[in-house]
Amino acid sequence: DVKVTQSSRYLVKRTGEKVFLECVQDMDHENMFWYRQDPGLGLRLIYFSYDVKMKEKGDIPEGYSVSREKKERFSLILESASTNQTSMYLCASTQPSTGNYEQYFGPGTRLTVT
Amino acid sequence: RKEVEQDPGPFNVPEGATVAFNCTYSNSASQSFFWYRQDCRKEPKLLMSVYSSGNEDGRFTAQLNRASQYISLLIRDSKLSDSATYLCVVIGSARQLTFGSGTQLTVLP
Repeated sequence: DVKVTQSSRYLVKRTGEKVFLECVQDMDHENMFWYRQDPGLGLRLIYFSYDVKMKEKGDIPEGYSVSREKKERFSLILESASTNQTSMYLCASTQPSTGNYEQYFGPGTRLTVT
Repeated sequence: RKEVEQDPGPFNVPEGATVAFNCTYSNSASQSFFWYRQDCRKEPKLLMSVYSSGNEDGRFTAQLNRASQYISLLIRDSKLSDSATYLCVVIGSARQLTFGSGTQLTVLP
């Protein structure tokens, strides 16, 4: 079974802090994604990566950056956390080169910025 | 207009009922379609793919209507365990995924 893990289930940070969210997948997937999920808005794509050291902006990249130094790890960085970044953050991975577009999600990190 | 739209619900149905959800998409070049299920406070998981010819998996039937640009999910003989949020996912020509905001279903005893 594909396993996607995220570093924290719950996180509370103060406004202005730098926040790191880590995601690790164990199936050698090429593509990794970061989403945030908010009530009524669904999942919105923040950033994604097709390969090591490659990154692409999603629909809402402002206020975020990412890092993919190793294939299995994709980090989301909030340079200076703000209260409007309070949300559920979900990481996902997929291996489209096999023709399988199924996204495997991690359990999510619920971030609260106070 | 949103790229992918779903009726948010909530749909409250009695056990044993048949319930159907629709999801409309705006990009006529969209290529692949899926339904995901998300339980409360859990991550989304793939429920089923949606094929042009329609497909069935037990009590669940998914259909695609390209002319009207929507996909549907039909659940027959609803169980309490079907209570969840159902998300439709559309993959466009550039292989980008777009999620709908989800339809909440509660099956009542």
